[in-house]
Amino acid sequence: DTAVSQTPKYLVTQMGNDKSIKCEQNLGHDTMYWYKQDSKKFLKIMFSYNNKELIINETVPNRFSPKSPDKAHLNLHINSLELGDSAVYFCASSQSSGSSYEQYFGPGTRLTVT
Amino acid sequence: AQTVTQSQPEMSVQEAETVTLSCTYDTSESNYYLFWYKQPPSRQMILVIRQEAYKQQNATENRFSVNFQKAAKSFSLKISDSQLGDTAMYFCAFMSTGANSKLTFGKGITLSVRP
Repeated sequence: DTAVSQTPKYLVTQMGNDKSIKCEQNLGHDTMYWYKQDSKKFLKIMFSYNNKELIINETVPNRFSPKSPDKAHLNLHINSLELGDSAVYFCASSQSSGSSYEQYFGPGTRLTVT
Repeated sequence: AQTVTQSQPEMSVQEAETVTLSCTYDTSESNYYLFWYKQPPSRQMILVIRQEAYKQQNATENRFSVNFQKAAKSFSLKISDSQLGDTAMYFCAFMSTGANSKLTFGKGITLSVRP
């Protein structure tokens, strides 16, 4: 009964490839996010979606394309992978209204580009 | 834009003792939320404690408590009776209210609890 799940947990691929990371939440939340944690452990927002609508896009390269087929899913597709894309990517979810506003994180996906 | 500063990169504490992790932030908003997240070696992000800016009372969660000084824009975390399992990175985070809410994190601090 994992609240926020991500697949895969580890991803090793070569430069130039295209890859996807999937995220699902079973908390009934209406907002989902992607964060990137770099090699220095710094966490930064990439995207957020509210009810399948893109709300935040934080100057992320066009090679990154999020897709939200429904409120419970937010996938991240990355084209033409570069060495600098190596990082841990976290999915998170929250409820935009009501008293419970905190964000719940998935386990993270460690992406290594060689 | 909001910024969150954690100036101490790492700290060490003896088991059973108390340690305080510092955090300051900058914002022009009057209503917002503050959080401390823990990231153990497993890399899972775990919410430790949260504070609503409109509440004057400092939040507490068992051994964890905060010292929230709104005027000074300071939000420190106190861990009492430190345990080995508290060894982790700790991130202070700010979140504004509203539809464009997002977490803005500090750089984090590595806490080591010595046996």
